[in-house]
Amino acid sequence: QSALTQPASVSGSPGQSITISCTGTNNDVGAFRYVSWYQQHPGKAPKLLIYDVKNRPSGVSDRFSGSKSGNTASLSISGLQAEDEAHYHCCAYTTTSTYVFGTGTEVTVL
Amino acid sequence: QVQLMESGGGLVKPGGSLRLSCAASGFTFRDYLMTWIRQAPGKGLEWLSYISPDSSTIYYAESVKGRFTISRDNAKNSLYLQMNSLRAEDTAVYYCARDDATYVAHWGQGILVTVSS
Repeated sequence: QSALTQPASVSGSPGQSITISCTGTNNDVGAFRYVSWYQQHPGKAPKLLIYDVKNRPSGVSDRFSGSKSGNTASLSISGLQAEDEAHYHCCAYTTTSTYVFGTGTEVTVL
Repeated sequence: QVQLMESGGGLVKPGGSLRLSCAASGFTFRDYLMTWIRQAPGKGLEWLSYISPDSSTIYYAESVKGRFTISRDNAKNSLYLQMNSLRAEDTAVYYCARDDATYVAHWGQGILVTVSS
């Protein structure tokens, strides 16, 4: 199972909006509405941001939103803040009952 | 609140074995799927394995199938990962996590495993 493809880095100025893509195949991203997104600050464990494509767990800011079209999922961050500077990872449930993560994206706030 | 605490990591020689443990608290352990995920230095996350609440269903990533074994003890609220035939490329931080069926909901703090001679 190959890793899902994410851009290595995305940047934006405070207050701006950015979008991170996550491209897979018909066997993972395109197969189900089971895409999740995780935020990871340096030296810390990942934290769940979005599950089942677009749902936010309690406590996650509504500045984070998720969507999916075909084999590509996306995470959008609006009103970019300094604390959003982190790595972001997508993940999809697959047709072989396993999970596959994305390659990870580093977000820089300029 | 949900807490997951890994232990058992460290330095091991290539070809050696190591057993990771994960102590769970703050939720009804026996009701949840549990998962192991790792992250090599400077790399992305890699899903390794999950186990169903009653241990009847287990899946592995191809990269560890036949070398790693996941197990759990619901009476002890504990998850395990037996790692055999370790290779340099298994060097990573290993995370224990609670799997809420379609996503990984909670993560431990991670534990470092280094495979080197």
